[in-house]
Amino acid sequence: DAGVIQSPRHEVTEMGQEVTLRCKPISGHDYLFWYRQTMMRGLELLIYFNNNVPIDDSGMPEDRFSAKMPNASFSTLKIQPSEPRDSAVYFCASSSSTGRIWTEAFFGQGTRLTVV
Amino acid sequence: AQSVTQLDSQVPVFEEAPVELRCNYSSSVSVYLFWYVQYPNQGLQLLLKYLSGSTLVESINGFEAEFNKSQTSFHLRKPSVHISDTAEYFCAVTPRGFQKLVFGTGTRLLVSP
Repeated sequence: DAGVIQSPRHEVTEMGQEVTLRCKPISGHDYLFWYRQTMMRGLELLIYFNNNVPIDDSGMPEDRFSAKMPNASFSTLKIQPSEPRDSAVYFCASSSSTGRIWTEAFFGQGTRLTVV
Repeated sequence: AQSVTQLDSQVPVFEEAPVELRCNYSSSVSVYLFWYVQYPNQGLQLLLKYLSGSTLVESINGFEAEFNKSQTSFHLRKPSVHISDTAEYFCAVTPRGFQKLVFGTGTRLLVSP
């Protein structure tokens, strides 16, 4: 397996624009997570899904952020409108907890977002 | 809820010296514990994990960590570090059987010649 795949790796956008980050989890994993990493706040869990259903979105900073998982192999994190304080590295991770099989979270390479 | 404390934000050390990165956690339920490593401009990679069984767990590159339930700690150690170990190390916890990782703030290990 190629691991968790995120795109794009880098994104530079202007304030006010819509930004969409994409993630393809490891095949067979039933959990998907979105994290944000900044110098000030470290690694924050934004939202996670189980079997494509959002379970906990309490970490989503505000209504400008939304996440979807239309199927088991794809998820998006959207910011609309974007602001400079959204600049960060966004990580997607996936894991499995099906029956007696439990795996740790595997992380993608991240998307470095810069909002100017 | 769970929380993780990594008191050392940065640990400088000379090559071939021993190192210990400290991690303490808080939880009212049993937990799984992890150490992840992040190299510059990379994602997080699992270094080692404690799920159950032996409280001493080891990685393939010489790191080890010991789960101490009474002290709620999971410190990471290596007897002799290499330049290539320079990275940021994150301790994480999740309730046993669950999948909601909570991370510490990270410790930057700086290995110099």
